Amino acid sequence: AQKVTQAQTEISVVEKEDVTLDCVYETRDTTYYLFWYKQPPSGELVFLIRRNSFDEQNEISGRYSWNFQKSTSSFNFTITASQVVDSAVYFCALSEGTSGTYKYIFGTGTRLKVLA
Amino acid sequence: DTGVSQDPRHKITKRGQNVTFRCDPISEHNRLYWYRQTLGQGPEFLTYFQNEAQLEKSRLLSDRFSAERPKGSFSTLEIQRTEQGDSAMYLCASSNSGRGEQYFGPGTRLTVT
Repeated sequence: AQKVTQAQTEISVVEKEDVTLDCVYETRDTTYYLFWYKQPPSGELVFLIRRNSFDEQNEISGRYSWNFQKSTSSFNFTITASQVVDSAVYFCALSEGTSGTYKYIFGTGTRLKVLA
Repeated sequence: DTGVSQDPRHKITKRGQNVTFRCDPISEHNRLYWYRQTLGQGPEFLTYFQNEAQLEKSRLLSDRFSAERPKGSFSTLEIQRTEQGDSAMYLCASSNSGRGEQYFGPGTRLTVT
């Protein structure tokens, strides 16, 4: 069965602190894709990153970085020097190609509050 | 590229009424998805179209729900005889590749009173 777990329901940090959002996934497929999305108060899901199961390289994009570890089935997201504009709900998602649908299985999200 | 659009953005209806939502995907995207998101939860998959063919439906999609994508362009999601439990945000997403990311619309927030 496919499952995505985001154990952190809500995190509060003070501006400029670093913060890591955890994501643990379960799948029986050897080929799968992992994603992170941001959902600001406006409600629209904004794509941040995609990672396939064969690419374990970590990635950095500005203040954002992602750590993908197949050994622990984790795909964690770190924001460095957080800003108030980072306040949002962040979702981790998994998709598999077995059925050809590539539908997403989402975690329950982590609400990040960055305080000025 | 104007992104995925959805209409209406908000809908308030009385229990038992029918409602229809529309999604316009990014023009070159052949894959279209509907998801439902309730408060405090992640979106849950409802149904998937590749071009005009509806290829997968979730068990969440009861007989009261129907979706179409005529001519492989825009899509509609209809809920008949709405119930209070249908209150949620209905999200549409599109992509041009199964392996690629999905782009989401702003959603339609349905409130059933």
